[in-house]
Amino acid sequence: NAGVTQTPKFQVLKTGQSMTLQCAQDMNHEYMSWYRQDPGMGLRLIHYSVGAGITDQGEVPNGYNVSRSTTEDFPLRLLSAAPSQTSVYFCASSYSGAPRRTEAFFGQGTRLTVV
Amino acid sequence: TQLLEQSPQFLSIQEGENLTVYCNSSSVFSSLQWYRQEPGEGPVLLVTVVTGGEVKKLKRLTFQFGDARKDSSLHITAAQPGDTGLYLCAGTKSGNTPLVFGKGTRLSVIA
Repeated sequence: NAGVTQTPKFQVLKTGQSMTLQCAQDMNHEYMSWYRQDPGMGLRLIHYSVGAGITDQGEVPNGYNVSRSTTEDFPLRLLSAAPSQTSVYFCASSYSGAPRRTEAFFGQGTRLTVV
Repeated sequence: TQLLEQSPQFLSIQEGENLTVYCNSSSVFSSLQWYRQEPGEGPVLLVTVVTGGEVKKLKRLTFQFGDARKDSSLHITAAQPGDTGLYLCAGTKSGNTPLVFGKGTRLSVIA
């Protein structure tokens, strides 16, 4: 059981380049989310999805796009990379929003550096 | 504005000492969770609390949810070097809202 798989694990981009961070889960979870983690800032929500075809913005959505065409996949697109997007990105999934079933399972993260 | 405030931000203690980490908010949450994160890994769930006043124990870790469901605490008894890590509290206001996280408490237990 792979759980939540993120690719790539490391990436260096030049300012202005675009790229897609991949996230896939094999637990048939409805909820998927993208967070970024910066030193001293905890995990900040970028975008989330409550099911296929449904996405919504989180706390820090600017510069990022998402789509959810299948239950399994939730890619995060950086449209035009900026140094401020240097961060560690985590994808998470959970079964549903019900309080005792919101355990979030996280991928191992993607460490992105924009130069 | 941070929805969940954690304190302290950093904590360095000797092996065998006790400690308490706090997670506070002005908002009511339907559930609060505590996660632990190790370097290079994603956070891993320790516990979920959903009822005001609820207390849960996980070996030497005791978690409490405030009566008003606005705050939570994590108490570690006789800390060990293996407890070292980043402890994050997270909450959801209702069944359809995503998890929001505090900034975390970085704990270092020195042998």
